[in-house]
Amino acid sequence: GQQLNQSPQSMFIQEGEDVSMNCTSSSIFNTWLWYKQDPGEGPVLLIALYKAGELTSNGRLTAQFGITRKDSFLNISASIPSDVGIYFCAGLLFKAAGNKLTFGGGTRVLVKP
Amino acid sequence: DTAVSQTPKYLVTQMGNDKSIKCEQNLGHDTMYWYKQDSKKFLKIMFSYNNKELIINETVPNRFSPKSPDKAHLNLHINSLELGDSAVYFCASSPRGDTQYFGPGTRLTVL
Repeated sequence: GQQLNQSPQSMFIQEGEDVSMNCTSSSIFNTWLWYKQDPGEGPVLLIALYKAGELTSNGRLTAQFGITRKDSFLNISASIPSDVGIYFCAGLLFKAAGNKLTFGGGTRVLVKP
Repeated sequence: DTAVSQTPKYLVTQMGNDKSIKCEQNLGHDTMYWYKQDSKKFLKIMFSYNNKELIINETVPNRFSPKSPDKAHLNLHINSLELGDSAVYFCASSPRGDTQYFGPGTRLTVL
C-alpha cells in the first residue's frame, strides 16, 4: 500500500522560531491534509490542500501541496509553547471503492529545555 | 456542540471479553470511519461507512464488527479481545469523503 515518509520524526522548538516539516510519498495523492494531535485528544484538522501547487495559510501555519502531488510541507512561524504536539500529514487517494486516507508517522514537536 | 463524540473514553477489560465502542457525529456527514492508533502513534484506517453502508474494510480480523444504525452513528464491537487489541481507537466523519474530523478517541487496554 501507499506509504508516507514524514520528517523530521521529532524536533525541538524555541519560542519565536519558525519550524518546518514535510511529507513525501512514492505515489500521488488527490488531497493533502495536515493534523495536530495533543496528548489524550484526537487529531484536529489544521489545513486541507486540494490542488497541486496550492499554498494555503491558517494563521501562523502555511502548507503547500507539491506540484508532483507526491509531497507536502507545513511551516509554523513564530512558534509558541502551545504549538507542542504531534503533527500528522495525511494523503487522500480517490478510489471508486472508497476514498482512503493514509497517515504519515508524525512529527513530534517538543519545547527546547 | 460536540462534533464527533465517542464513548467510553477509557476501556479496561480482560482478554477474551467482548466490548463495544460508540460513535456519534452531529455534523450531518455521510461518511464515518474507525481508525486504530498504536503505541507508536501510527494511525491506520480500519473501516469506512457511507450512509450506513460498509465501503472500506482494511483486512481487519472478523472479531471486529462495525455497525451503523443510522448515518450519524457508527459503533465498533470487538469479540474475544486480545492483548494486541490494546490501542486508541478513533472515530471520524467526513462530508464528502475528503476532509475528516476526528473524535476524542477511546483508549482500550486489554489485560
